[in-house]
Order: sequence, then C-alpha cells, then structure tokens
Amino acid sequence: AQTVTQSQPEMSVQEAETVTLSCTYDTSENNYYLFWYKQPPSRQMILVIRQEAYKQQNATENRFSVNFQKAAKSFSLKISDSQLGDTAMYFCAFMKQAGANNLFFGTGTRLTVIP
Amino acid sequence: DTAVSQTPKYLVTQMGNDKSIKCEQNLGHDTMYWYKQDSKKFLKIMFSYNNKELIINETVPNRFSPKSPDKAHLNLHINSLELGDSAVYFCASSQRMGSGNTIYFGEGSWLTVV
Repeated sequence: AQTVTQSQPEMSVQEAETVTLSCTYDTSENNYYLFWYKQPPSRQMILVIRQEAYKQQNATENRFSVNFQKAAKSFSLKISDSQLGDTAMYFCAFMKQAGANNLFFGTGTRLTVIP
Repeated sequence: DTAVSQTPKYLVTQMGNDKSIKCEQNLGHDTMYWYKQDSKKFLKIMFSYNNKELIINETVPNRFSPKSPDKAHLNLHINSLELGDSAVYFCASSQRMGSGNTIYFGEGSWLTVV
C-alpha cells in the first residue's frame, strides 16, 4: 500500500520569503508520479506541480520547485517569493504508473503567508 | 469556461434524504472520479470511471451509487443520508487511465447532513 506523510500540519512564511513544505512517501513501486495540489479557502483543488519518478531533474513551475529524492522517498515543495495568494492547504499526492489513476493524498499542510 | 463543473456547490439536507451531485467535464477526458474530503481535510478516492465503465470502487457504502450516462458526465447519488456523509465531494477527470495522467478537480460540493 502507498502512504504519503506530510509532517507539518501548519506553516507560516513572511511575504516575499521562501518556504519549504515536506512530504515523504512509502511505496514498493519503481515508476510512479508525485504531485502537489493547492487548496485555497475557495476549496478548489489546483495542481501546482508534478514530478515523474523516472526523471532525475527536479520539476519547476515559476516560483514553485520540488526537491525530489527518490532513494529517500522525499518530495518537498519550495515556494519562492511567497505571495499572499499562496495562503492555502497544500497536499502532496502519489500515483502509481500502471493501472487505475488513483491519487493517494497526504494529510496536508496549511500555509499562511504573512504580510 | 469551467473544465470540471459540479452542482450543487452547497447542499444542506436532513438525515434519511436522498440527494444527487452532478458532474460534467468539457475537457474531452476519458476518465472521471469522485473523491471525498472529510472534516479533517483528508482526501480519498471513492469511484473512478473510464469511458463509462466502473474501474475503482473503494470501500464505500452501497448507499452511494455513481452513474455515468456518457464519458463527460459522472453523477453521484446518495441514498438515506447519514450525519457521517457530511463532507466535501470532489469530481475530477483525467485524459485517460495510467501513465500518470494529471487529475483535474472540480470546485467541490459541500454536503451537510443535519
């Protein structure tokens, strides 16, 4: 079974600063995908970034980047130049490569950007 | 245009009632899902359909019945609602199954059972 752990229930960061959200996972799969989703107060689930496990290069999307450590089964999200609109719940999620597209989610980290 | 839309967004109903949540995606995707987010914000899959065929049916009470009239629609019907059914229900879709296809979510339907 796949499990995803987010050990930081809540975090805060000053506007314009950088923050890193942690995520670890447990799987016996060799090929899989990892995602970070953002859920602002509006409740919509918004894809932030995705990473293919077979790619060594860390994914980046503008101010968002990941530090993917396959051997350590770690997938942290770095948000640079934090903005007030980044305030949200952030969920780390795992998906196997083969078979049904089931996302296994972590319990989330509530991030507050402080002006 | 909203890619994955679900209605209603808010629903307050009494125990024992039957209710439905509708979902439509205009992305041309083959696969659709229902996820449930509980009061502690934990998200878990309930069902997935691929081209109208049921693929995933997690341990969900049979009071919950999904229906997919076509691949662009996946509705969720809930019979005999219970207090524990209060949650946010997310519809989602992906282009196809497998290969890590990204899953896109709707805005959620907040169900409160009183």
